[in-house]
Order: sequence, then structure tokens, then C-alpha cells
Amino acid sequence: DQQVKQNSPSLSVQEGRISILNCDYTNSMFDYFLWYKKYPAEGPTFLISISSIKDKNEDGRFTVFLNKSAKHLSLHIVPSQPGDSAVYFCAASVDGGSQGNLIFGKGTKLSVKP
Amino acid sequence: DTGVSQNPRHKITKRGQNVTFRCDPISEHNRLYWYRQTLGQGPEFLTYFQNEAQLEKSRLLSDRFSAERPKGSFSTLEIQRTEQGDSAMYLCASSLGTAKGYTFGSGTRLTVV
Repeated sequence: DQQVKQNSPSLSVQEGRISILNCDYTNSMFDYFLWYKKYPAEGPTFLISISSIKDKNEDGRFTVFLNKSAKHLSLHIVPSQPGDSAVYFCAASVDGGSQGNLIFGKGTKLSVKP
Repeated sequence: DTGVSQNPRHKITKRGQNVTFRCDPISEHNRLYWYRQTLGQGPEFLTYFQNEAQLEKSRLLSDRFSAERPKGSFSTLEIQRTEQGDSAMYLCASSLGTAKGYTFGSGTRLTVV
């Protein structure tokens, strides 16, 4: 049973436009959410996170939105750049992330075309 | 310190053989995690250590799998009597105790033939 779901396996956007990656979760105990980015032959790299007490967190071109009532979060990348082309994983944890055990979605492959 | 190091990068083994992977975390990180990633899936938690203590093990970690972290430094993950279903990328990560600070290594890709 997938507790963290990324229903879009892939997404293609034009350079300079907005990329929106979506993630849904089922476990209401999750209280900390993260996005990781992964290039081929490399391990995932932490991108941005959000606590369940917030509904938005912004870091440069990256913004994560959390809708607790809908159990939905999204990652916005504006403007998108070709170097953003990678697989993006949504992850969730309980206890504010202090336990360290993350539950990952299956990932969304983003392609940003020049 | 250049990050989390995993060795070997690739391992091909015959079914039934034992394999061992090594992970060297970032030196000041007290937590070390092992994850497994198969094709088309996200990383799946296997186990984690705080210093030398193994604090949690996933049900994915069958009795053929064993992980150690002697002296709270590097860690090894051993798989005994490998099966084709063990073919995956094995990822190691380390942190200072919060999920935010996870740093992953590049992984060890295991292929069981």
C-alpha cells in the first residue's frame, strides 16, 4: 500500500515556464515532507522540506505547498531550467522527521526542454 | 569530507553467493541509514543506526540481510544467499539526526544473475 503517491511518472515543460510536481499521501500521521532530486547514477539530493504546521515554504526558485485537508503537496519550480531535468521524489515522515525513516513516492521524471 | 561514500559502485554476483557493501558516512553525522531502490520505485527504508546502535529495521530486511556499524563510523550491509529479487540499488545516507539533513551516497547497484 503506497502511503506516498506521485501519480505522474513524467512531466515535460519548456525552459522558463513553471514546473508543478504533485504528491498525495494517505497517512495522517505524516507531519514532515521533503522533496529530493535525483540525477542518473547519483544518490537523491535534498531539495526543500515543509512541516505540517506550515502551508508554504520557499527557497529560491523552489516552493512547496502543503494542503493538509487534501493530503496533497506540490513542488513549484519557477522558472524551470534544463539543469532541473531529473527525477523528483516526494518523501514523508512522522515525528517531525526526527526518526529519520522516510517514506518515498515512486518519483516523477521532469524534462525541461530548451 | 566530500560526502557519503559507498563501495563498490556496482556488484554482479551469482545467485546464492554472499555480498557485502560498505558505506562511509559524513564524519560528524551520528545517524546512518540504508535504503533499497528498485526500478521504477522510490527508495525503501531498510534500517538505520544512531552511532553504533541499530535502532530500527524494516520488515523488508529479511534474515538474509544484516547490517553493522562498528564503532559508529562506517557501516556494512551483508546479503547472504542472494536471490534475483535482491537486484536493486542499495543507498546509504547519513544525517545529524533529522530527516532534513539526509545526505545520500551514490549507491551500490547489485545485480544477481
